[in-house]
Amino acid sequence: DADVTQTPRNRITKTGKRIMLECSQTKGHDRMYWYRQDPGLGLRLIYYSFDVKDINKGEISDGYSVSRQAQAKFSLSLESAIPNQTALYFCATSSGGSTGELFFGEGSRLTVL
Amino acid sequence: GNSVTQMEGPVTLSEEAFLTINCTYTATGYPSLFWYVQYPGEGLQLLLKATKADDKGSNKGFEATYRKETTSFHLEKGSVQVSDSAVYFCALRKAGANNLFFGTGTRLTVIP
Repeated sequence: DADVTQTPRNRITKTGKRIMLECSQTKGHDRMYWYRQDPGLGLRLIYYSFDVKDINKGEISDGYSVSRQAQAKFSLSLESAIPNQTALYFCATSSGGSTGELFFGEGSRLTVL
Repeated sequence: GNSVTQMEGPVTLSEEAFLTINCTYTATGYPSLFWYVQYPGEGLQLLLKATKADDKGSNKGFEATYRKETTSFHLEKGSVQVSDSAVYFCALRKAGANNLFFGTGTRLTVIP
């Protein structure tokens, strides 16, 4: 089983719908992240959390919200999806530190029509 | 601010060819530098890293040297294989910062 699991792996939805992407991890890491990947833009940070009571905005948080339900779970919500939120979304975890490696899930591909 | 610039792809090489993917960075202080690789249909995984000037990171035949004087961290491999076909991302983390800044990625295709 993967250490970082994302659900769903693929989702097609319509403009205005609410969408939740879920992430769970078995690595025991405190730090969790949500990134989106767009062609030609690399990965951009949406939100990150260093523990259950800590939530921080990243570069592109507008239109998104997150919930850290437990150390192992971090979900990303789009309250009212729009087409330019069509992207590949990645959850990642880290044990921290300036050289701490990020461990990524396999990604959730979201298409907003 | 912090940023990473890497060569645009796609890059197509024949098996056993020499690979270089250029990466330069802008950051104050002494960031840590990383190369991540994304195989088709998978998430990113760490390939190698270097945490201070003149350090050389290496893994799976890939190498990159942290060059402070040229603010570069170019990825090299002497003889690529078909299985190296993937997207490669250069990234940096500024000392004490919480986030990794990623380059735009370079797609490598190795043909037999």
